[in-house]
Amino acid sequence: EAGVAQSPRYKIIEKRQSVAFWCNPISGHATLYWYQQILGQGPKLLIQFQNNGVVDDSQLPKDRFSAERLKGVDSTLKIQPAKLEDSAVYLCASSLDISLGREAFFGQGTRLTVV
Amino acid sequence: AQKITQTQPGMFVQEKEAVTLDCTYDTSDPSYGLFWYKQPSSGEMIFLIYQGSYDQQNATEGRYSLNFQKARKSANLVISASQLGDSAMYFCAMRPNTGNQFYFGTGTSLTVIP
Repeated sequence: EAGVAQSPRYKIIEKRQSVAFWCNPISGHATLYWYQQILGQGPKLLIQFQNNGVVDDSQLPKDRFSAERLKGVDSTLKIQPAKLEDSAVYLCASSLDISLGREAFFGQGTRLTVV
Repeated sequence: AQKITQTQPGMFVQEKEAVTLDCTYDTSDPSYGLFWYKQPSSGEMIFLIYQGSYDQQNATEGRYSLNFQKARKSANLVISASQLGDSAMYFCAMRPNTGNQFYFGTGTSLTVIP
């Protein structure tokens, strides 16, 4: 079974530039998460999708971050314009269904450096 | 509010010894799941073990076991017979029945010494 695929693995941009990350979840997984992990901290949820609908985006900085999951499969996360404090690892995860007890499977993440 | 606390920033253990990584949590949800993930230097979060809030027995998965004490709101991870490959960051996480997002602690860095 293929895991969660993310690209790119690394990205360096200047502040005020834009960047996009892509995630392809495990086939058949209805729930997709984007997490931000700042160095030395645990992951923090940015947005959660159930199929192609948004379940929770309360912690997404909507003035600069956007995400979509067209057709309920793969997803993109965009930052525009980027700030220095956006430097972090962006993790995508998926889970089979929303019922309790189902673990989430994570991709390897995209390490973003904003200079 | 949901909160996960891991009070050990770093831990060292001798190879082949057992080690316990601490985790406490706070939630008002009566039903929730507790998870442990391993994050090696490659960055991927690897699922290790799960415990449901209504499970009567502590979860075990190979060398991993979860010491669940509901009244104390603790879910400590025990790794037996440590191996060099166990060196990594370990994160405790909780998923309440409402909302379904995962809440993570700040992690514990484990180093296994030969």
